Parts: sequence; structure tokens; C-alpha cells
Amino acid sequence: KQEVTQIPAALSVPEGENLVLNCSFTDSAIYNLQWFRQDPGKGLTSLLLIQSSQREQTSGRLNASLDKSSGRSTLYIAASQPGDSATYLCAVSGSYQLTFGKGTKLSVIP
Amino acid sequence: GAVVSQHPSRVICKSGTSVKIECRSLDFQATTMFWYRQFPKKSLMLMATSNEGSKATYEQGVEKDKFLINHASLTLSTLTVTSAHPEDSSFYICSAPRGDAEAFFGQGTRLTVV
Repeated sequence: KQEVTQIPAALSVPEGENLVLNCSFTDSAIYNLQWFRQDPGKGLTSLLLIQSSQREQTSGRLNASLDKSSGRSTLYIAASQPGDSATYLCAVSGSYQLTFGKGTKLSVIP
Repeated sequence: GAVVSQHPSRVICKSGTSVKIECRSLDFQATTMFWYRQFPKKSLMLMATSNEGSKATYEQGVEKDKFLINHASLTLSTLTVTSAHPEDSSFYICSAPRGDAEAFFGQGTRLTVV
């Protein structure tokens, strides 16, 4: 059974700092990995999708990497802003299955 | 911990028929639930927000007459795919936030329309 772990559970940083969120998964037989943002009371917003054959994806200040063999992904956020405050979730797609981590709650302090 | 149950986990139906997917919050009340869809090799995308006692809010490009959402109680939301076609074959998953804190996800439903 796939298990997805996100570390840390919560993170608080001053505005402007670069930061890294971590996601690990136990079964490397995945189709893709996704990073999402979740604001309180809102649905998920897709940030980045990395196919199993890819090693990284970039969108603006966000960069996500994938090391399938070691079961790890990182989400790098450059020059953090207060508007980046949210919960960040990673999810891995396997055969007929989508498994989410519990998320990292990020607070960016002005 | 809080659990969201989604049923069925897999369904195969004939083209033109309708399929109902249920999403239940088992140990908490959810005034809002979210429905998502993921096509193969694509990102999970929000389809609609289900609101208890009122109409659902659909994302742009999602046909409300095709994807009927009913949130009749604080623990149950249903998504009905009406007149299903092969292009509706996808992975559907619901989630229910508990307050302003974490959201819990159902197990997902793999729909195949033949």
C-alpha cells in the first residue's frame, strides 16, 4: 500500500526566504506526482505535475523535483511571499489510486 | 482520525447510462465537499464545490447538467455522471474539509465508460 509522507507538517518563514518542502513515498511504481496548494475552506489548486519519466518541473517561483528511485520529491519556493501562505499537498498516482500526503502548512511572515 | 468514504471504487458502465458516486464524511459534518477529476497522465482538477442545502458551484468548463451534484445532508454528497460517454472515463475523487483545517479525501472512483 502506498504511503506518502510530508515533512515538515508546518513551516513558518520570513518573507523573501527560499524554502523547500519535502514529500516521500514508499512505492516507486508511480505514474506521476503532483503538488497542490490548498487555502482554508477552498478546493485544491494544482501547482505542478511531474510525470514518472521526468525529474523536475518549474512554474514561476516554484520548482518541483522527483527522484522516483528513492521515493522523494521536493517543492522549492523561491523568494517567498505572504500570499504563499497555505497548505501544500503532494499526491502520487499509481494504478487506480491517488494517494495524498497530509500536507505542509506554510506561513510566510511579512 | 476523520474519514471520508467514497463509493464505488471502480465502475464500468455502458455509454448513455448514468452513474452515481457517493462521498460520505463518516465522523464529522461537512457543509462543503469538493469533487475532482483526473484524466490519465493529467493533473487532478477541481470540478465543482458541493454546498449542503444549496446549489453546487462549478468550475469553468464543467457542464452542470452532465455532472449533477447533490449535497442533501451534512455527511453526504453525490456526483451523478449523466448520459456517460467514453470521454467521461476518468478518476473521480472527493474531499471534505473539516472546518478551516485539513481536508480529507475519499478513496476515489475509477469510471470506465464502454
